[in-house]
Amino acid sequence: NAGVTQTPKFQVLKTGQSMTLQCAQDMNHNSMYWYRQDPGMGLRLIYYSASEGTTDKGEVPNGYNVSRLNKREFSLRLESAAPSQTSVYFCASSERDAGIYGYTFGSGTRLTVV
Amino acid sequence: DAKTTQPNSMESNEEEPVHLPCNHSTISGTDYIHWYRQLPSQGPEYVIHGLTSNVNNRMASLAIAEDRKSSTLILHRATLRDAAVYYCILRAVYNTDKLIFGTGTRLQVFP
Repeated sequence: NAGVTQTPKFQVLKTGQSMTLQCAQDMNHNSMYWYRQDPGMGLRLIYYSASEGTTDKGEVPNGYNVSRLNKREFSLRLESAAPSQTSVYFCASSERDAGIYGYTFGSGTRLTVV
Repeated sequence: DAKTTQPNSMESNEEEPVHLPCNHSTISGTDYIHWYRQLPSQGPEYVIHGLTSNVNNRMASLAIAEDRKSSTLILHRATLRDAAVYYCILRAVYNTDKLIFGTGTRLQVFP
């Protein structure tokens, strides 16, 4: 069972470069999410997609854009990377965006911006 | 979502039971109690969730106080692989807000 797959696992960018983090789930989940986790801290929500065709901002959306390409895939784009975006990024999915369902997380993308 | 309070860290010896507490005094009647854990260098992993009654699954048990203002995640026999950060999170049944993580409890397990 693949679950939630994130690519790449590691990435180093120079300040000002752009990149797209990819996320795909094979559980037929409706909702997908992007979180970031800075060292020693909990996860913070960047963007989410409650269903195919919709996206909304989370706690820390500045500097990011997202695309819900289809039901399976949800990508996160950094248009002009900054050192403050150095973090570990996690993608997650759930059957519905409601309290009775659990989330499944990917293994993360470790991004360093120099 | 209502706020939860957890100890920053706890310790246990291997093969002993572990009781991880969570206080949520402002919980509402429609809030589910979710627990996730994050192993080192991995993404969070769903552990268990419940509403009013105690819940058991293959990973853990969840004991919910009668007034629902606190809950306890129980690992019946801790192993070294259970060393992780454990997050207690409240989620309303029809809440369209997202899963918001606090800082959790870091569990250390000693051989």
